[in-house]
Amino acid sequence: GQQLNQSPQSMFIQEGEDVSMNCTSSSIFNTWLWYKQDPGEGPVLLIALYKAGELTSNGRLTAQFGITRKDSFLNISASIPSDVGIYFCAGRSGDDKIIFGKGTRLHILP
Amino acid sequence: GAGVSQSPSNKVTEKGKDVELRCDPISGHTALYWYRQSLGQGLEFLIYFQGNSAPDKSGLPSDRFSAERTGGSVSTLTIQRTQQEDSAVYLCASSLAAGYEQYFGPGTRLTVT
Repeated sequence: GQQLNQSPQSMFIQEGEDVSMNCTSSSIFNTWLWYKQDPGEGPVLLIALYKAGELTSNGRLTAQFGITRKDSFLNISASIPSDVGIYFCAGRSGDDKIIFGKGTRLHILP
Repeated sequence: GAGVSQSPSNKVTEKGKDVELRCDPISGHTALYWYRQSLGQGLEFLIYFQGNSAPDKSGLPSDRFSAERTGGSVSTLTIQRTQQEDSAVYLCASSLAAGYEQYFGPGTRLTVT
């Protein structure tokens, strides 16, 4: 079946650094979604992208829908301690299935 | 407005017992999803409902797992004869319809002793 490759699997960064993570697929997706999961909570939708090439920001977060429709990236600028968590990408395929990546675990070093 | 709610938030049960987990989706959302998440891992898809029908049950790990949805709203996930490997967080999500953005509940943490 369709799979998303999300990378990196884990990131260890210093507070204040910028962060970049991405998802790629061998199949085309119609929608890309980015979620964040805090420890002990359910994932929360951060950004939704609906058109190839679309670039959307939400505060310090910026995400783009790749023009090939097979990839997306999420950037976080000037990271702060509350950015810690697991970030999931998800793509919507032509048959309306939502496929999730395995997540990027963001750790901020003291 | 109210989000997705799940109950109980935590459940500890003995191996071999049956458990029922409940999900209340966002009002008006026709699609409902169940996922399982082991500690620090990704989301394992279990089952999806459109209305009261389950077009995709492909993720249910064994016949000990079943789910139903009534009235196009509340869903229950039942695990019979629980095993220790069933210990995980069970997440429910709902969306306006299939393929739309999913909104997650806080999860039920199941521990089988």
